[in-house]
Amino acid sequence: GAGVSQSPSNKVTEKGKDVELRCDPISGHTALYWYRQSLGQGLEFLIYFQGNSAPDKSGLPSDRFSAERTGGSVSTLTIQRTQQEDSAVYLCASSLQGAENYGYTFGSGTRLTVV
Amino acid sequence: AQSVTQLGSHVSVSEGALVLLRCNYSSSVPPYLFWYVQYPNQGLQLLLKYTSAATLVKGINGFEAEFKKSETSFHLTKPSAHMSDAAEYFCAVSGAGNQFYFGTGTSLTVIP
Repeated sequence: GAGVSQSPSNKVTEKGKDVELRCDPISGHTALYWYRQSLGQGLEFLIYFQGNSAPDKSGLPSDRFSAERTGGSVSTLTIQRTQQEDSAVYLCASSLQGAENYGYTFGSGTRLTVV
Repeated sequence: AQSVTQLGSHVSVSEGALVLLRCNYSSSVPPYLFWYVQYPNQGLQLLLKYTSAATLVKGINGFEAEFKKSETSFHLTKPSAHMSDAAEYFCAVSGAGNQFYFGTGTSLTVIP
């Protein structure tokens, strides 16, 4: 597609429920990233996929968080047993190999509210 | 390891005045530096990037930034602020390995 697409744009869920957030990166971009942006804070790195390599999961805050990328394209971030502190905007970005030269292209994010 | 510090979480300028948003970085390798802008309810958009070519980098919407190795800085400037510049601005640094490290952001308010 022309840009990075994220769905849903907004999600309200009850505490304890599981949620899935979807990211459709730019076609041909081999790298895909998930970040979390909490109110008044910067971007917190969550996970990074590069081609067929094992993902860098070093930023996932707990074992309730997981992500997968199928076929080197679409990615799903899953949060199990959601907590109120999970409320944030979840941003997905993709890049060509060598993001340091090109920068990321971000999606518009999914705003998650846990009530 | 890489990190960035953005001085001033909120900056207010009058319309037509100089915009200066500060960013200092720390990097154990030659850095790649970026400025992103985020408008309300939108994702981040790349403003400009430094990738070891010219130290003065020009970006979109009249913004520019100068890489100063001696000061480990990459401040963002614009000669004349416009109302449409009101947004959140993020500085980011990357070394090898593709992961970017973002600052906590600076919210720019433009006063008419």
